[in-house]
Amino acid sequence: SQQGEEDPQALSIQEGENATMNCSYKTSINNLQWYRQNSGRGLVHLILIRSNEREKHSGRLRVTLDTSKKSSSLLITASRAADTASYFCASATYGGSQGNLIFGKGTKLSVKP
Amino acid sequence: EPEVTQTPSHQVTQMGQEVILRCVPISNHLYFYWYRQILGQKVEFLVSFYNNEISEKSEIFDDQFSVERPDGSNFTLKIRSTKLEDSAMYFCASSPGTANYGYTFGSGTRLTVV
Repeated sequence: SQQGEEDPQALSIQEGENATMNCSYKTSINNLQWYRQNSGRGLVHLILIRSNEREKHSGRLRVTLDTSKKSSSLLITASRAADTASYFCASATYGGSQGNLIFGKGTKLSVKP
Repeated sequence: EPEVTQTPSHQVTQMGQEVILRCVPISNHLYFYWYRQILGQKVEFLVSFYNNEISEKSEIFDDQFSVERPDGSNFTLKIRSTKLEDSAMYFCASSPGTANYGYTFGSGTRLTVV
């Protein structure tokens, strides 16, 4: 099954604007995580929100989680050119085994100076 | 800040050859993972490893794949007989625990099978 589907697939904004990316998932989760990937590089963990949390902040990042709708959003405020990257949500489910993260296809964010 | 180190950064191999991708996880992490990303596609889970054994693997992780922790620091992924469709970016990751920990990923090994 497809977990962690993000939308939009691509987002282009001007520096200083806010960027909102959405993610949907299909099964029950323990937590949901957001990662950033610069072109051709590894994934960098940004923020984790537990299933019993509704909102979390980290610097310019704000993540929300709605378990009833099985969706999450990542808001980047006051975007900078350096925020240009692909952003992935990853759902984490643990049950019996060690569990794993299931990634979506990502949102490609372009921030123009 | 501790890093997950992967070598080589890029490997080109002929179809049918064996490759070994190497990773040095963060030293006090207990859980290790391999993921892959075919160009332009999703990051896909391959395998997780804990306490010197595979704890979970995906359908992708068939008999041509194996993982090993040969010593206290390295974590390797071996592909026995590479196919063209194995061309991808392979990421190693580690985490201190399972529940509610983010993963630390390496920069990846770009594998090109020709």
